[in-house]
Amino acid sequence: KNEVEQSPQNLTAQEGEFITINCSYSVGISALHWLQQHPGGGIVSLFMLSSGKKKHGRLIATINIQEKHSSLHITASHPRDSAVYICAVRPLTLYYGGSQGNLIFGKGTKLSVKP
Amino acid sequence: NAGVTQTPKFQVLKTGQSMTLQCAQDMNHEYMSWYRQDPGMGLRLIHYSVGAGITDQGEVPNGYNVSRSTTEDFPLRLLSAAPSQTSVYFCASSLRRSTPNEQFFGPGTRLTVL
Repeated sequence: KNEVEQSPQNLTAQEGEFITINCSYSVGISALHWLQQHPGGGIVSLFMLSSGKKKHGRLIATINIQEKHSSLHITASHPRDSAVYICAVRPLTLYYGGSQGNLIFGKGTKLSVKP
Repeated sequence: NAGVTQTPKFQVLKTGQSMTLQCAQDMNHEYMSWYRQDPGMGLRLIHYSVGAGITDQGEVPNGYNVSRSTTEDFPLRLLSAAPSQTSVYFCASSLRRSTPNEQFFGPGTRLTVL
């Protein structure tokens, strides 16, 4: 079962390019998280959103609840943005009963930004 | 605040050995969880806790035990290590499970079982 699908799996970009990572999910949700994991490193929360759009520096996250889709955009990409980006959703009680509140994770998108 | 801390960072075990992965948070979070991360797969939930004295199984609980005697600590015990338990383990916490909250992750423990 793949309730959360990310695309692309791997992405290579040149420094300065505009990057988009997509996340599609199949269940009703109360929130969606975008996380960042640097090579060999821990996992950091970038955004949590349930509607609309959020922006933090060069990162923008959008979500369309009706279409069950979210995108993470990186403007003016830099080599330090190289990391794995993970999408995770928080299902509604209707779908997961007692497990409501536990996150379901995508497999991640590995981004490499070349100088 | 130290956030979420995990020890050890690296561990090598032999098949059949037991060990405990430590996790602690100093943010007074109710919800704590353990995940494993394997190549080509998303993070998978092993066990979770919604408060001191309350634990429950996640998606892949077999071979692991947890306890939550205090709000701060949530150790994960491997009862009899198997090569299939070679993985990177992450502990995470958030304020509570009942509402959407930011997730905080520990630095991870890389475990190899020979």
